[in-house]
Amino acid sequence: DSGVTQTPKHLITATGQRVTLRCSPRSGDLSVYWYQQSLDQGLQFLIQYYNGEERAKGNILERFSAQQFPDLHSELNLSSLELGDSALYFCASSLQTGVAGELFFGEGSRLTVL
Amino acid sequence: QQQVKQSPQSLIVQKGGISIINCAYENTAFDYFPWYQQFPGKGPALLIAIRPDVSEKKEGRFTISFNKSAKQFSLHIMDSQPGDSATYFCAASAQTGANNLFFGTGTRLTVIP
Repeated sequence: DSGVTQTPKHLITATGQRVTLRCSPRSGDLSVYWYQQSLDQGLQFLIQYYNGEERAKGNILERFSAQQFPDLHSELNLSSLELGDSALYFCASSLQTGVAGELFFGEGSRLTVL
Repeated sequence: QQQVKQSPQSLIVQKGGISIINCAYENTAFDYFPWYQQFPGKGPALLIAIRPDVSEKKEGRFTISFNKSAKQFSLHIMDSQPGDSATYFCAASAQTGANNLFFGTGTRLTVIP
C-alpha cells in the first residue's frame, strides 16, 4: 500500500460529460502529480501541484483542469469527454519538489467514456 | 514527443534466465533514472533508481547499468522468476525545477515457469 488514495476506482460515463477524480496524497507529502496511462502511450505526465500551487504542466488538454486544496488533496476535472479520454488516471505524491526522488502512486481511476 | 524511449515492448523469459530492458533519453538535464514495476490493477512502484555519478547499481537480482555518454540505461533482472512478471517502466527526471518523471512506454515481462 503506497498510502496514496484515489477515488473512484472505476467510472463509466458518456461523451460530452464531466467527471472529477480525487486523490489523497501520502501523509506529509506536499507534492501531487497526475498521470494518464493509455495502452499505446504509457504514462503521460499531466500536471503537478506543490503545496497548493501549480508547479509543472505536461500534456494536459485544455478540457482538463486540476487543483490542490489546503488539506493537500487534489482533484482532476475532465470535461467535454471524448472516447479517447478513456484511460487509467494515476495520482502520485512525493514529499517535496525540486529534488528528484521516489513518487508514490495510487492504484488509479479507470475512466471509460462510451 | 517521447522523452524516454524504451524497448522491447514485450519480453518472454524462461525462469532462471536474464531479462534485459533498455532505455534511451535525449535531454542531458536528466539526472535521476528510476525503474518502476507495475502489476495488473496496481499503480507503478519504485523498483530501483540510479543517478549519473555511477555506472551501475545493484539491488538483489535487479541491476541498472548506466551509460552517460550514450544516454542509455538498462535494467537487468537476474534469475528471473514468475513473480517478476509485470510491466516495467523506465523514467527520467531533472533535479532543477519540478521533479516530474518522464516515463518510457513500458515493457511487459512474462517469466515462464
